[in-house]
Amino acid sequence: QSALTQPASVSGSPGQSITISCTGTSSDVGGYKLVSWYQQHPGKAPKLIISDDNKRPSGVSSRFSGSKSGNTASLTISGLQAEDEADYYCYSYAGSITWVFGGGTRLTVL
Amino acid sequence: QMQLVESGGGVVQPGRSLRLSCAASGFTFSRSGMHWVRQAPGKGLFWVAVIWNDGRNENYADSVKGRFTISRDNSKNTVYLQMNSLRVEDTAVYFCARDSGDEAVAGDFDFWGQGTLVTVSS
Repeated sequence: QSALTQPASVSGSPGQSITISCTGTSSDVGGYKLVSWYQQHPGKAPKLIISDDNKRPSGVSSRFSGSKSGNTASLTISGLQAEDEADYYCYSYAGSITWVFGGGTRLTVL
Repeated sequence: QMQLVESGGGVVQPGRSLRLSCAASGFTFSRSGMHWVRQAPGKGLFWVAVIWNDGRNENYADSVKGRFTISRDNSKNTVYLQMNSLRVEDTAVYFCARDSGDEAVAGDFDFWGQGTLVTVSS
């Protein structure tokens, strides 16, 4: 159950698009259609923004999208807004009824 | 409205035990699987344990297996985390989170508590 690999930080200007990668293995990210993404603002509980690789829960902005290729999943945020500044975590089923998070990526909106 | 309220955190010496509670309200607790997730100070999220809605199945991250036990009392709408043989590296905010599935564990979390801080220190 090793943590998934994410970049420590990314940044972008308002209106731009950014992509956060999440690399795992064939035992987790690449093995199931079960990658999720969570957004966490400082001092707050995380919020689910993408499930099942690319599904957006009700109420989540269409500016958030998820994709996957092989053992790497990606979260794209388009039309960056100041309120998007937060930490983002990928999360995947890892088999045998266990799950694993990525190390987290801090998004800075310049 | 839905609420998850954790309690039981505090400062404890290495090797000692602590039991966390998470009281649920505002939804049909007996239909929902529940998880514990922790976050060490300034660090990322870490999945700890899951329990099925009926309490018949549970599982744990390798690093806590054999030391932590998740349980629930559906008559009290409460899920617990018994933590034994605590280590310094168990220091974290512990969140309980509702599984997004209905009478089945989906693995995602659609509602979280605000967390309770556990500090393991001599």
